[in-house]
Amino acid sequence: AQKITQTQPGMFVQEKEAVTLDCTYDTSDQSYGLFWYKQPSSGEMIFLIYQGSYDEQNATEGRYSLNFQKARKSANLVISASQLGDSAMYFCAMRERQLDSSYKLIFGSGTRLLVRP
Amino acid sequence: KAGVTQTPRYLIKTRGQQVTLSCSPISGHRSVSWYQQTPGQGLQFLFEYFSETQRNKGNFPGRFSGRQFSNSRSEMNVSTLELGDSALYLCASSPGSLGGGHEQFFGPGTRLTVL
Repeated sequence: AQKITQTQPGMFVQEKEAVTLDCTYDTSDQSYGLFWYKQPSSGEMIFLIYQGSYDEQNATEGRYSLNFQKARKSANLVISASQLGDSAMYFCAMRERQLDSSYKLIFGSGTRLLVRP
Repeated sequence: KAGVTQTPRYLIKTRGQQVTLSCSPISGHRSVSWYQQTPGQGLQFLFEYFSETQRNKGNFPGRFSGRQFSNSRSEMNVSTLELGDSALYLCASSPGSLGGGHEQFFGPGTRLTVL
């Protein structure tokens, strides 16, 4: 079963508008972490934002905010005032504890965002 | 502060050969994780090394191995290469282990092509 689901393979947004990228997750662990990364065409993964499962406030980092709805197991990324440089692949990831108490970082399939001028 | 560096950036090998990839983490970071990215399987966690010990491991065959040195630099080795090993291999470093929820900083990756 998919642990991290990103249902939008591709999205368009007009420059200066806001966009929401969806992410749902599946875990039975009470302690977990959720990450969003951006991957431009150059290939390098760029950390955007982190939300811990016990964090009561939604995480924000500049133009990025995470809409964390724990009961629905969703962690959507909101980008405000889109810029042309935001065009990239966006990955949602979850840090999950395994049965042997080790940890893994599990990634979704990604959403390709294209910002139109 | 210098970022995560990976060498080489590009590599072409043939089936059956072995390959070693190198990753130098950000100064002061003790954790190095490795990931494989392919169009078909997406991004998959290979393993994490922390203070020279493998702490966490993904679901990959034993042909994939790694190690970490006392200066936190890490190497990943793939033996008996298969066509399906063609991928972008990403390395990430963080101050603490994965379990601590630390942000991971990624390198530019090594693109491996197996012919």
